[in-house]
Parts: sequence; C-alpha cells; structure tokens
Amino acid sequence: QKEVEQNSGPLSVPEGAIASLNCTYSDRVSQSFFWYRQYSGKSPELIMSIYSNGDKEDGRFTAQLNKASQYVSLLIRDSQPSDSATYLCAGGGSRLTFGEGTQLTVNP
Amino acid sequence: KAGVTQTPRYLIKTRGQQVTLSCSPISGHRSVSWYQQTPGQGLQFLFEYFSETQRNKGNFPGRFSGRQFSNSRSEMNVSTLELGDSALYLCASSLWLGRDGETQYFGPGTRLLVL
Repeated sequence: QKEVEQNSGPLSVPEGAIASLNCTYSDRVSQSFFWYRQYSGKSPELIMSIYSNGDKEDGRFTAQLNKASQYVSLLIRDSQPSDSATYLCAGGGSRLTFGEGTQLTVNP
Repeated sequence: KAGVTQTPRYLIKTRGQQVTLSCSPISGHRSVSWYQQTPGQGLQFLFEYFSETQRNKGNFPGRFSGRQFSNSRSEMNVSTLELGDSALYLCASSLWLGRDGETQYFGPGTRLLVL
C-alpha cells in the first residue's frame, strides 16, 4: 500500500458546484496533513493544513480528517474556473509524503 | 515577507555533468527540505536540513547531496547527471519549532533538463 493515496481523477465539476477530493494514508505517515494546489508549470501552494480529527474551514475550502479511517478530504465549495489545478495531499512533518495528485477541472 | 527563492529557475545540462541548485528560505525559517517532481514518480523527498545538519534523507542515490549554510540558505548538488534526473527540483522551508506538522512553503522550483 502506498503511504498516501489520492483518488486519481481527473475530476471535472461545473462552476458553482462542490468539488470533493479524497486521500487515504497508511500507518507510516505522520498525523499531520496538508493540501497543496499546483497549477501547471508552477510549484505547490499551500491550501490547508489539518492536524486534528474533524473539520477545518477556510473560506470556500474545508478539510476533513478522520484518523480512525485514515482518511483526509478537501471540499471546495462554489468551485470557480480558477480552482482548476492539481491538488496534492501530503502527510508528515519535515519529510512530506505526497499522493499522486488529483487534477481538477472546473467548467464555466 | 519574501517567499522562498530558488536559483537558477531553468537549467540545461548534458549527461555526466554536475549541477548545483540554490535555495534561500523565508526569513526566519530554519528548516529546508528538497523534493524532486517528475511526471512518473510525482513529488519525492530528497533531504532535509536544519542548523546546517542533514536530518532526513530520502531514497535517492549518493549522487544527490546537499548542504545548508549558517544563514539557512541551502544548496543541492547532483553529480554525474543522468537523463532520468530531468525534473522540477523544489525547495521548501519551514520554521521548525520542534513540533510535528510544521507547514512547509515551496519555492518556484528549478527545472532541470538533462540531454
């Protein structure tokens, strides 16, 4: 089993819809998780960090962590075409382990 | 506050050559990590430096090395370049206050092409 796995996608949603991105992790991954957004040809940009069970909201973004199920998710509400990018789930401390990424396209 | 800077941004080398990449972390950040990103392997951890000491190392051959200076700036070196070393090399910095889960902020990357 990979240490961090993401639903491979690609994911396509209409503008204004909710985009749901999911990630599972193995026991070997530290219990701190991050969501990064990466536009084509650019470097990863931090969207959310989450350390505790439950939900964490920041604007249109909500991260959810369920340690019992070893599951992390990111919800993007009111999706915009500018949200079209690859979303990377990562776990760990100073040594991040990344998932393969999920490519999201928001259609106008 | 300025972000993480990396130089050069683009580099073309030939097989067998060596290359040195540079990273300046966000002011006040003490930890610098390096990652390699390729289409086939995704983002993979290379190594992490804190207080001029390598604290963590990923599963890369010894041709990949790095160092950190007293001002927290870091360099990584790849010797005897191979075609497969073509990648985006990313540097990330964090405060590192001793807690797990310190947020890492990425620089723009250096895109290396090996011919």
